[in-house]
Amino acid sequence: SQTIHQWPATLVQPVGSPLSLECTVEGTSNPNLYWYRQAAGRGLQLLFYSVGIGQISSEVPQNLSASRPQDRQFILSSKKLLLSDSGFYLCAWGQLPYEQYFGPGTRLTVT
Amino acid sequence: TQLLEQSPQFLSIQEGENLTVYCNSSSVFSSLQWYRQEPGEGPVLLVTVVTGGEVKKLKRLTFQFGDARKDSSLHITAAQPGDTGLYLCAGGGADGLTFGKGTHLIIQP
Repeated sequence: SQTIHQWPATLVQPVGSPLSLECTVEGTSNPNLYWYRQAAGRGLQLLFYSVGIGQISSEVPQNLSASRPQDRQFILSSKKLLLSDSGFYLCAWGQLPYEQYFGPGTRLTVT
Repeated sequence: TQLLEQSPQFLSIQEGENLTVYCNSSSVFSSLQWYRQEPGEGPVLLVTVVTGGEVKKLKRLTFQFGDARKDSSLHITAAQPGDTGLYLCAGGGADGLTFGKGTHLIIQP
């Protein structure tokens, strides 16, 4: 069966510091991968998606970036965090265009 | 941009009652998904509906996709405290999934 991992689970970072969140998927190959951000108790905002290694599409202009160095690895990064980057970050995978399966999420607090 | 409106935004009912939550759009979707999310966790996929008029049942949960594929409903029979959570609908299209803002459901024992 497929599983998806995210780490860290929680992170507290000062403004201006760098960020690296990692997501890995097991049990499948060539999945579509997604990064979302969720405001407190609300819907999901798609940040990036990837259909293959090195292929990244950005949905929202911001100071975040994403990379996919391996087939089942998806990384969300920032060079300098802003207060507004605080939130719950979710990684998801899917192989059908209309089904996505989410990881446990990372709670990021920028202070 | 495709938008999904979910209603009600918040719902608190007693254990054993029935309830229906709605997901509406002016856009046509090729599919629609419902997720349940608990605090501090990722959303869990409950069901996918792809055919207009389709009805799917998952134990006490009944999901319906509108004939025109613009809306969906989730009906819960005899709600239990374990049904508490944020229910999100998501519509599938050429650009991936569009999520509604969700319905916060609280089932009081």
